[in-house]
Amino acid sequence: DSGVTQTPKHLITATGQRVTLRCSPRSGDLSVYWYQQSLDQGLQFLIQYYNGEERAKGNILERFSAQQFPDLHSELNLSSLELGDSALYFCASSVHGSTEQYFGPGTRLTVT
Amino acid sequence: AQSVAQPEDQVNVAEGNPLTVKCTYSVSGNPYLFWYVQYPNRGLQFLLKYITGDNLVKGSYGFEAEFNKSQTSFHLKKPSALVSDSALYFCAVRGGGGSQGNLIFGKGTKLSVKP
Repeated sequence: DSGVTQTPKHLITATGQRVTLRCSPRSGDLSVYWYQQSLDQGLQFLIQYYNGEERAKGNILERFSAQQFPDLHSELNLSSLELGDSALYFCASSVHGSTEQYFGPGTRLTVT
Repeated sequence: AQSVAQPEDQVNVAEGNPLTVKCTYSVSGNPYLFWYVQYPNRGLQFLLKYITGDNLVKGSYGFEAEFNKSQTSFHLKKPSALVSDSALYFCAVRGGGGSQGNLIFGKGTKLSVKP
């Protein structure tokens, strides 16, 4: 167990809908990262937050947004969902300045 | 731009035999390299990293990796494979520039260890 929790484990929704994925980092970790894992794109970095502020952006679509709250948990919001958004979404956390990232179990999103 | 390549989609090994999972990298500056493992329906687990120092890095579960600067490689190795090592293995490099925190992953290599 990495200490990173993600909810829900599974999510099934229809095209055009909006969903929110939640992540709680390991105790003491200030950085949160979101990654998307799909069969065609592999594992891709989406966005990073550090202590509530956006720190880096990767291949994140404009339909997607994220935030990190004062208690350090983070949410990834996906809107106007398309079939191609079906994927496993991982959250990871790290101590600022540390190099290892610890991954949560992921949320499997299925868009029908 | 930072990138890593895993040239093998799948590696098949007999239990007890040594295993190697290959990774090559392309970076500007000093590479920060990682190996992660993903078991079915699980998140990624950190195995080991190379930042600086000894070219042979030892990690979890008996795995090690050899950093080779001239060949720009960071191959994962284990002297004696176990059936329980069967999983998906990812090589990663830390992003550079303003996004130094995020990881850039290879496509992954499926390791299958047969009894």
